[in-house]
Amino acid sequence: GNSVTQMEGPVTLSEEAFLTINCTYTATGYPSLFWYVQYPGEGLQLLLKATKADDKGSNKGFEATYRKETTSFHLEKGSVQVSDSAVYFCALGGGGSGNTPLVFGKGTRLSVIA
Amino acid sequence: KAGVTQTPRYLIKTRGQQVTLSCSPISGHRSVSWYQQTPGQGLQFLFEYFSETQRNKGNFPGRFSGRQFSNSRSEMNVSTLELGDSALYLCASSPSTGNTYEQYFGPGTRLTVT
Repeated sequence: GNSVTQMEGPVTLSEEAFLTINCTYTATGYPSLFWYVQYPGEGLQLLLKATKADDKGSNKGFEATYRKETTSFHLEKGSVQVSDSAVYFCALGGGGSGNTPLVFGKGTRLSVIA
Repeated sequence: KAGVTQTPRYLIKTRGQQVTLSCSPISGHRSVSWYQQTPGQGLQFLFEYFSETQRNKGNFPGRFSGRQFSNSRSEMNVSTLELGDSALYLCASSPSTGNTYEQYFGPGTRLTVT
């Protein structure tokens, strides 16, 4: 079945540092890939998405490229801010599995210090 | 468009009681999914409803049930509450067209069982 593996946290960075959170997946076919972010005390928010190979999703300075050859969808940001402190979830949907639920990674907690 | 709303936001119940949580999806969305989030287990899928029918179900005991109404609003019920049911319960809705795996989350209901 479909699965998502993302790097374990927590990740602690200084403000303006470069961020990478790794995400790899297992799926048949061509799934859609997502990154969600959860700020303290809130639900998950869709951060960005990509629906086919080589697509780059981007939002709020975050980017991720759908790499089918390496089955990866790593999240990157060039310069993090304190306000980016949150938990980030990689997720996968579809991929030839019919109407199956969205599959989430375990989440990576990011703390950005000033 | 208004986002996904969940009521109540916070709930305290006693072991053995039952509880009903409510979710109103984004207007036009017909799919509603429920998740349980705990520090130990992370984000776990409970079930998904589409057009009043349960389309997918996670690996939870029968004490957890749900339903969806003709206006797409959904409720989930937990009977005979246990201490381990303390969690953040998240509801998410998905569009009926376009990328149906794209989920939009509500703020969650924080359930505490004492």
